[in-house]
Amino acid sequence: EIVLTQSPATLSLSPGERATLSCRASQSVSRYLAWYQQKPGQAPRLLISGASNRATGIPARFSGSGSGTDFTLTISSLEPEDFAVYYCQQRSDWRYTFGQGTKLEIK
Amino acid sequence: EVQLLESGGGLVQPGGSLRLSCTASGFIFSSYAMSWVRQARGKGLEWVSVISDGAGTTHYADSVKGRFTISRDNSKSTLYLQMNSLRAEDTAVYFCAKMPFSSVYCSGGSCPYFHYWGQGTLVTVSS
Repeated sequence: EIVLTQSPATLSLSPGERATLSCRASQSVSRYLAWYQQKPGQAPRLLISGASNRATGIPARFSGSGSGTDFTLTISSLEPEDFAVYYCQQRSDWRYTFGQGTKLEIK
Repeated sequence: EVQLLESGGGLVQPGGSLRLSCTASGFIFSSYAMSWVRQARGKGLEWVSVISDGAGTTHYADSVKGRFTISRDNSKSTLYLQMNSLRAEDTAVYFCAKMPFSSVYCSGGSCPYFHYWGQGTLVTVSS
């Protein structure tokens, strides 16, 4: 089973700053990686699929990059509504696994 | 607009059973694979099960295999999760999710992910 490790566990930043979230896979997942945002009491929302493809309606300040085992979600300039938990996710064989999440909090 | 509405959650004793439903609207339900994902309170996301568009293919996480059964009724645009032999560790919010393709497998250079999510239904297993 492929394990996804996200870092850091918590990221404290201020609005307007740049956020860089990391997701590392225990073996190559090619570019088959997705990112989700989850706010308290809400369902997750798809941000990025295929490592770098923004989902419909996702602002351009969100971008994804990487391939193989190392992936990054970048938020270019944080808005107040961006403070949330972010998960990466991969699929191998028929299993789907998520990273443990990165909490992006207001500094 | 894609809408997914889960129902059927509640309090059940260990060893008991529960059936969750997810009613879909805003898209052609019979053309897409569907999945269940759960989240224990304060914890991360855990995939539970997936089913192809025509229900010909299903897969389960090891943690629920043999106890949970995913199914769908395309005539009613409804996804189900039959949960038997429930344990305390099954306590979680259960989300249904629409996948981006009909198949549960990778194709055309892309692999499935969880495209749209419902708001979830809480299952509590406790005596």
